[in-house]
Amino acid sequence: EPEVTQTPSHQVTQMGQEVILRCVPISNHLYFYWYRQILGQKVEFLVSFYNNEISEKSEIFDDQFSVERPDGSNFTLKIRSTKLEDSAMYFCASSEKAGPPGTEAFFGQGTRLTVV
Amino acid sequence: AQSVAQPEDQVNVAEGNPLTVKCTYSVSGNPYLFWYVQYPNRGLQFLLKYITGDNLVKGSYGFEAEFNKSQTSFHLKKPSALVSDSALYFCAVRAFTGGGNKLTFGTGTQLKVEL
Repeated sequence: EPEVTQTPSHQVTQMGQEVILRCVPISNHLYFYWYRQILGQKVEFLVSFYNNEISEKSEIFDDQFSVERPDGSNFTLKIRSTKLEDSAMYFCASSEKAGPPGTEAFFGQGTRLTVV
Repeated sequence: AQSVAQPEDQVNVAEGNPLTVKCTYSVSGNPYLFWYVQYPNRGLQFLLKYITGDNLVKGSYGFEAEFNKSQTSFHLKKPSALVSDSALYFCAVRAFTGGGNKLTFGTGTQLKVEL
């Protein structure tokens, strides 16, 4: 069964450093997303990406964040100058379409980012 | 703005008994509703969705959910719970905006099924 894969599974970084979280969405999917889940809290939307551009972003997704699809298979989230409060589980997701029936997003297993 | 409420932080049920995990939503326009499950140290796994049509939708692992438009609810149900169903369950809503189609999640309900 096709799946979304994320690397690394766990990333520890020092405050102020840049990190890149990587994702390989399901191959025939066209919509890509990043969500995050701070420990013990709900899953929050960060950004959606379609046709090589951001289609929607939340207020969390400020200038320290950026996304890129550098080639035909990878989708990355870059966090510049990480802060302690960026520590969270980051989930990549993809969906085949925007409208039904292919609306469900499939999630990767997440990258746990720890900023120290 | 769209939102989801899961009023119970935890639901405890005995194995073999029916279970219900509650979810209510608020959205402008037609809702697309989803249930996801998260096992410890795992990602979010899609269980089922409501898009349109029959109000009772069936999903993976014997789960089903009932869409009730008048009560703006989408409760998750299973006729006979298993210990292996113990996990964190998230309800989510999406309003089709023609743009990003973000999912808005509830705070999650921890389901504990005991022998």
